Amino acid sequence: GESVGLHLPTLSVQEGDNSIINCAYSNSASDYFIWYKQESGKGPQFIIDIRSNMDKRQGQRVTVLLNKTVKHLSLQIAATQPGDSAVYFCAENMVDKLIFGTGTRLQVFP
Amino acid sequence: ETGVTQSPTHLIKTRGQQVTLRCSSQSGHNTVSWYQQALGQGPQFIFQYYREEENGRGNFPPRFSGLQFPNYSSELNVNALELDDSALYLCASSLDRVQETQYFGPGTRLLVL
Repeated sequence: GESVGLHLPTLSVQEGDNSIINCAYSNSASDYFIWYKQESGKGPQFIIDIRSNMDKRQGQRVTVLLNKTVKHLSLQIAATQPGDSAVYFCAENMVDKLIFGTGTRLQVFP
Repeated sequence: ETGVTQSPTHLIKTRGQQVTLRCSSQSGHNTVSWYQQALGQGPQFIFQYYREEENGRGNFPPRFSGLQFPNYSSELNVNALELDDSALYLCASSLDRVQETQYFGPGTRLLVL
């Protein structure tokens, strides 16, 4: 069946370092992926998306990489800040729904 | 802020009761999707409504039902509540029904005792 999963449940980084959050997906026909950030007590917040005709997309301090060969995507956060502490989900954007993985918790320490 | 609002923020019910959760979509969005998020898990798709019609449904029993109104606000109704229904219920609105970015509300935390 379809699934989107994450390799690391918790990632701890020092403030100022770069963070990399990984995600694997199983449906080779998937062509649109989104990264969401969810802070405690809030709904998921859109960060960045990427379609399968791209390998890389950059936003403000964030970069998403897509490797269709191995069905893997990653989210890179540059100069990680305390405000980046949250749970991060990759989601596969299907025709009528999002399929989420279980999430990676990013902890930023001083 | 996404412009998507949900009410109530928290709710406590007992097993067997019925509950109605409400969602107001972002202005201009005609599609709303509902998700259930258990503690420590990713959101699970319940169903989607497009222009007042159900457009897709996840693996949830019929006691989960929904409505979308002409102003594109939406309701999620759950009958015969079970303990496992305790979760965060999220609605998300999007500009259209096919692979548009979904913007989430803050969710309603439901506790079933």
